[in-house]
Parts: sequence; C-alpha cells; structure tokens
Amino acid sequence: DVKVTQSSRYLVKRTGEKVFLECVQDMDHENMFWYRQDPGLGLRLIYFSYDVKMKEKGDIPEGYSVSREKKERFSLILESASTNQTSMYLCASRSRSRSGANVLTFGAGSRLTVL
Amino acid sequence: AQKITQTQPGMFVQEKEAVTLDCTYDTSDPSYGLFWYKQPSSGEMIFLIYQGSYDQQNATEGRYSLNFQKARKSANLVISASQLGDSAMYFCAMREGEAGRRALTFGSGTRLQVQP
Repeated sequence: DVKVTQSSRYLVKRTGEKVFLECVQDMDHENMFWYRQDPGLGLRLIYFSYDVKMKEKGDIPEGYSVSREKKERFSLILESASTNQTSMYLCASRSRSRSGANVLTFGAGSRLTVL
Repeated sequence: AQKITQTQPGMFVQEKEAVTLDCTYDTSDPSYGLFWYKQPSSGEMIFLIYQGSYDQQNATEGRYSLNFQKARKSANLVISASQLGDSAMYFCAMREGEAGRRALTFGSGTRLQVQP
C-alpha cells in the first residue's frame, strides 16, 4: 500500500515564524499535492508538483511556497506565519486504486496553530 | 461558480438503513472523474469510490455506490446498510480533464452521523 507520511501531526507556532511542513511518499510517485482544510470550506489546493523541482500554484498559494528537491519529498513552507494560516494541512500523492483509477492518497494531516 | 456543491452540511441515519449523500458538479470538460472520500475523526482521508465521465455503469464498491446522473451533473453517494463506523465527514471531489497533472477540486463536505 502507498504510504504518505507527514512529519508533524500538531504544531504550534508564533506569528512571523517560518514554518516547514514535510511530506514523504514511498512509491516513487511524480504528482504530489498540498491542500488546506477549513470547516465549511472543504479542501483547497495550495500547490502541487508533477516532478522534481516542478511546481504549480493551486487556488490559494498566497503566503506559501513549496520545495521538491527529491521525488519522494514535498515540503510546504510558510515564510512568515500568520494567524489566518491556522488550519489542517493535508499532503497527497497520486496513485492507483485497486480498481485502477488515478486517486489521491493522503497523509494523516498536520494541524497548525499560529498564535 | 462552485465546481462541487454538497448541500447537506449534516445528515443523520439509523444503523442498517441506507443513506444518500448529495453532490452536484459543474464542468464544461467532457472528460472528468468524480470521487468520494471519507474522513473519520482521526483526520485521514480515505478514498471510497470513483466514477469516470465516460463510464456507462454506476460505480460500486461494497456497500458504496455512486448514483451518476450525467445530464443532471450529479454524483450522489449511496451507502447501504449503514454501520456506526460510517460516522464521518464525506467529501465529493472532481478532476477535470485526463488524470495527468490534474488536482482534485473538493466540495465542502457532509457530516454523517449513524445512530444506533
């Protein structure tokens, strides 16, 4: 089974701090994604990457950047954290389901609180 | 305009009964895919079922089936014989175009509570 691991389950940071959220997948997948999840808004795409050093902005990239130096690792960076970035962050990589569909496999999520 | 609309913020169902979670979508792309995910209180997103826009038959996976009505642009999830473990958030999502590099667009979710 595909495993997507997010390094931190819970983080508490202060306004203005630089924050790194790490995500690792173990199946050599090319496509990886970062979403944030907020109540009533569902999941919104921040950035995605389709190969090493390749990235594309999603729907809400402002205030975020990403890094993909190795295929298995996709990092989300908050250069200067703000309180409105308090959220659940979900990383995913594209894989195939048992029925052969291209699906996203998600990590367990990182709940970030910015004080 | 919203690409994925889930109009039911919350639903209740009795154990062993069937329940339908609504999802409508908006796209002009003839090729697209529709997905349902479950998110229990633990937070992890679990893939349930997929329907491709060109699939002739409605998708089924065990107790889950997808009622795909293309002309109405709806992709409702039907859970038969509900179990207590089905209590969770459910998200409908869409991929427009061929898989390739495309991300998924998610709806706002429906919280399902199964009552004993």
